[in-house]
Amino acid sequence: GAGVSQSPSNKVTEKGKDVELRCDPISGHTALYWYRQRLGQGLEFLIYFQGNSAPDKSGLPSDRFSAERTGESVSTLTIQRTQQEDSAVYLCASSRNSQPLSGELFFGEGSRLTVL
Amino acid sequence: RKEVEQDPGPFNVPEGATVAFNCTYSNSASQSFFWYRQDCRKEPKLLMSVYSSGNEDGRFTAQLNRASQYISLLIRDSKLSDSATYLCVVNLYTDKLIFGTGTRLQVFP
Repeated sequence: GAGVSQSPSNKVTEKGKDVELRCDPISGHTALYWYRQRLGQGLEFLIYFQGNSAPDKSGLPSDRFSAERTGESVSTLTIQRTQQEDSAVYLCASSRNSQPLSGELFFGEGSRLTVL
Repeated sequence: RKEVEQDPGPFNVPEGATVAFNCTYSNSASQSFFWYRQDCRKEPKLLMSVYSSGNEDGRFTAQLNRASQYISLLIRDSKLSDSATYLCVVNLYTDKLIFGTGTRLQVFP
């Protein structure tokens, strides 16, 4: 498709399990972002990639969270030993380039994670 | 203090009304500013950029006040379809976009 694709769209898991969320950005977009949105809350920045490197990982909440991007395309966000407070919608976005910053991020529909 | 702050609302206005939202940011070195719109249970989408001189796009006007570190969004002649959450977005430094928690607008007939 032409847009940002995320999978799974919904994931229910038990506390303590690991989960992997996938993002397929728009072809040719070099920048890729992960945000978290808890119910009724704003978007919380997690990490962004410029190509395959991650210049800013400052938003990752704990060492249980990690992300990688390969081939300047697909990215995976991994949450180890999930906790109930990890329940949220995880949004991925991509943009064409970083300079000048157009501010236009194209978001996927998100992966809704529920930790029981 | 949060990096980007918005009044969560909700703002309930009748069709045809004019409504304005403000957003304040804490880092004076912020470079770029944007308004995004997010419909219920949907992903955010860019509404408009905010330029230093102010800018208009149809019924929407955005303004930036660097001295007071706030940006505003004015919506004229509100439509039912304008009902959404409006997110203020600030670029603190290269490539990192910080989103506010959003202001919810409900336009009623």
